[in-house]
Amino acid sequence: DAGITQSPRYKITETGRQVTLMCHQTWSHSYMFWYRQDLGHGLRLIYYSAAADITDKGEVPDGYVVSRSKTENFPLTLESATRSQTSVYFCASSRDRTSYEQYFGPGTRLTVT
Amino acid sequence: AQKITQTQPGMFVQEKEAVTLDCTYDTSDPSYGLFWYKQPSSGEMIFLIYQGSYDQQNATEGRYSLNFQKARKSANLVISASQLGDSAMYFCAMRPNSGGSNYKLTFGKGTLLTVNP
Repeated sequence: DAGITQSPRYKITETGRQVTLMCHQTWSHSYMFWYRQDLGHGLRLIYYSAAADITDKGEVPDGYVVSRSKTENFPLTLESATRSQTSVYFCASSRDRTSYEQYFGPGTRLTVT
Repeated sequence: AQKITQTQPGMFVQEKEAVTLDCTYDTSDPSYGLFWYKQPSSGEMIFLIYQGSYDQQNATEGRYSLNFQKARKSANLVISASQLGDSAMYFCAMRPNSGGSNYKLTFGKGTLLTVNP
């Protein structure tokens, strides 16, 4: 029972490069989420998805792109990485609209130099 | 818009004692849910407890209880009989339980709890 996994766990990239963070869940949960965690801000929602091919912006979407062609995968792409995108990124999923619990992945620590 | 405020950046407690972590919230939604998550130094987010705004009783999960005072808009987490393993960052969060955005969690900035032996 793998649950929800993220890869890579650690990534260092240079300003201007494109980088994709992967998220995979084995529960067939409908909803998936991407958060970023920064000191002094807690967790902030970047994008979410209600189902395959349905995505929408969260609180801080600028500079990020998502896609969801399959229910189990929800990749997050930084099209042109900036230093301000240095953060810890968490993917989460929840079963459906009425389920109150979100299950979080282990996080990806991204450093943009 | 929803807002979560955790006013205690850090808290210390002696092992085996109880500790209360404060959380106040603001929302215009008539129905909402309140959550507490634990984040140990290893980084993962662990769901602890949930309270619905219309629940008559305060939620409890083992040593965790949520002191929900709706009129005061507070949802404090009480940890009884603290253990060294409780040392972690604790986040309060909320989301609306109705309407078009009833899956969006809003988090507070967190409280770092240190349990002393």
